[in-house]
Amino acid sequence: SYVLTQPPSVSVAPGKTARITCGGNNIGSKSVHWYQQKPGQAPVLVIYYDSDRPSGIPERFSGSNSGNTATLTISRVEAGDEADYYCQVWDSSSDIEVFGTGTKVTVL
Amino acid sequence: QVTLKESGPVLVKPTETLTLTCTVSGFSLSNARMGVSWIRQPPGKALEWLAHIFSNDEKSYSTSLKSRLTISKDTSKSQVVLTMTNMDPVDTATYYCARMEVSRWFDPWGQGTLVTVSS
Repeated sequence: SYVLTQPPSVSVAPGKTARITCGGNNIGSKSVHWYQQKPGQAPVLVIYYDSDRPSGIPERFSGSNSGNTATLTISRVEAGDEADYYCQVWDSSSDIEVFGTGTKVTVL
Repeated sequence: QVTLKESGPVLVKPTETLTLTCTVSGFSLSNARMGVSWIRQPPGKALEWLAHIFSNDEKSYSTSLKSRLTISKDTSKSQVVLTMTNMDPVDTATYYCARMEVSRWFDPWGQGTLVTVSS
């Protein structure tokens, strides 16, 4: 089955840039979606189709996808960005959805 | 405004069958571009997709849990139901339903419901 690997944690100072990677075999050929989950809350979609932002999501959130790695970038990090982040793809060969292992972003 | 809300038992015993209901509003389960998925999250762990159902009744299940899951919908009631048989303590988790676009992203999500499996 298709596996998505994320770093368990990323630490970043306020105002700096956080980059969260999502690794998968030839993930660049798939559409990647990203979710933010704050403690005790349901996940929220922050990026879809690799780099599109839903309405209401700040421009500080951006995404890219190429080769074997997709990346979620959070610019000018704020304390409120502290959360778990998950990537997700559709494995069309099996018609199943796959989530990444999740990354906890800590704002120092 | 699109909303989804999960309902079901908070506690089930091992070997019992879990039945969860997702009640949606703000969109129709007959919408050709929409579906509903179930996703779970054990305490402190990652998200795990379970199943989805589309307006044309097309269904798909997690490979590892397929034998235990059944998803169905009642369009007139705006409800999607998930059953999971032979529950085990490792199935203790928060269970979410989420609207799924045909392009396969989840938005929005329900608030989730915590199900504990214990005798």
